[in-house]
Order: sequence, then structure tokens, then C-alpha cells
Amino acid sequence: GAVVSQHPSRVICKSGTSVKIECRSLDFQATTMFWYRQFPKQSLMLMATSNEGSKATYEQGVEKDKFLINHASLTLSTLTVTSAHPEDSSFYICSARDDRFNYGYTFGSGTRLTVV
Amino acid sequence: AQSVTQPDIHITVSEGASLELRCNYSYGATPYLFWYVQSPGQGLQLLLKYFSGDTLVQGIKGFEAEFKRSQSSFNLRKPSVHWSDAAEYFCAVANQAGTALIFGKGTTLSVSS
Repeated sequence: GAVVSQHPSRVICKSGTSVKIECRSLDFQATTMFWYRQFPKQSLMLMATSNEGSKATYEQGVEKDKFLINHASLTLSTLTVTSAHPEDSSFYICSARDDRFNYGYTFGSGTRLTVV
Repeated sequence: AQSVTQPDIHITVSEGASLELRCNYSYGATPYLFWYVQSPGQGLQLLLKYFSGDTLVQGIKGFEAEFKRSQSSFNLRKPSVHWSDAAEYFCAVANQAGTALIFGKGTTLSVSS
């Protein structure tokens, strides 16, 4: 079946530094990927839609300059949290839409970001 | 805009008992509906999905869900719950092919012995 690899699974960084999270579709092409953020005991909030070769579409209230998204190939999207602050600490999950199927969404295993 | 409501924040069920998790959606046309399960600190696993056709959908791990247009609902059921089913369950909707999934707030399922 379709597999999405998300890396790293956990990261701790100092306040003011940047962190890059990778989302990779291993056995399928994904023109479109999605990035979500999940606070403890809460739902997944859509941050942005990432399309290969074009700029990401951000949801209202999400700072595009803080959360940089790059989708340079059909199998890789990256989310970079720039100048991270403790309030950016969260669980980030990516989802890749399989180009072969309508509504074939596969999720990564998530990244736990802690900013100290 | 479409939305998903999961009325129950937390449900406790005895092992072996039946389960029903509620999900209501708000969308004018026929939505595309999903149920996912998430274990602590993990990603999401798809249990089942509904696009069209038979309104009773079978999924993995013995789960099923029924789409009821008249009630705008897509409730998840399982006839006999196992301790390993304890997890967070999310209902999600997409309104168009390929658009992002919108999630409900989730229901935490606890299983008592």
C-alpha cells in the first residue's frame, strides 16, 4: 500500500533556530501534499496545501513566512519552521494525495517539535 | 464551508461491548467521508471511507460506518470492541476531489475490562 515517510519523528530545537520536516511518498507520486498541526488532545488543523512546482496555499491565520513549504518533486514536500519559538511546539503531520486514486490520502507518522 | 462535528469527546466501552461513534457533517452536496484512528504520538490510519454507492461501508479491524444523508451523519460502529481499539478516532470530510480533509475534533475511546 501507499506509504508516506515523515522525518524526523521528534526534534528539539532552541528558540530562534529553524527546523525542517520532510514528507516523502515512498511508492507513489503525490502532486499534492497537505500539512497539518495538532495540539495535544485536539484535532488536526490544516496549515497549508502544497502543490509540486508551485507555491503553497496557506490557510487563514498561518504565517507563510514562518512556515515555509517547498514541494520540489512529486515525492517530497518539506516544511521549515523558521525562527522557532516555544509556541510553535506541536505535532506536525503531513498527508500525501496519491495521484492514482481519487481521495487516496496517506498520512505520515508525524513530527513532534519541541522548542526550548 | 464544510465542517465536521463529533459530539462525543470521550467514550468508555467495556471490552466485548458494541461501539458507536457519532459524526455529523455540514455540506450541501454529497460529501466524501472518512474515519481515521490515531494511537498516541502516531500518525493516522484510515479505517474506512465513503464516496458513493452502498451507504453501509465496511472497513478494517471490523469497523463499519453508515452514511445517512437525511441525518447528515456518518457514524462508526463495531459490534465487539477489543482493548486494542482504545485510541483517538477522527471523522473527516472532503468536498471535492483532491482537496484537503477537514477533521472533526475527535473522540477518545477508552476500553474497560
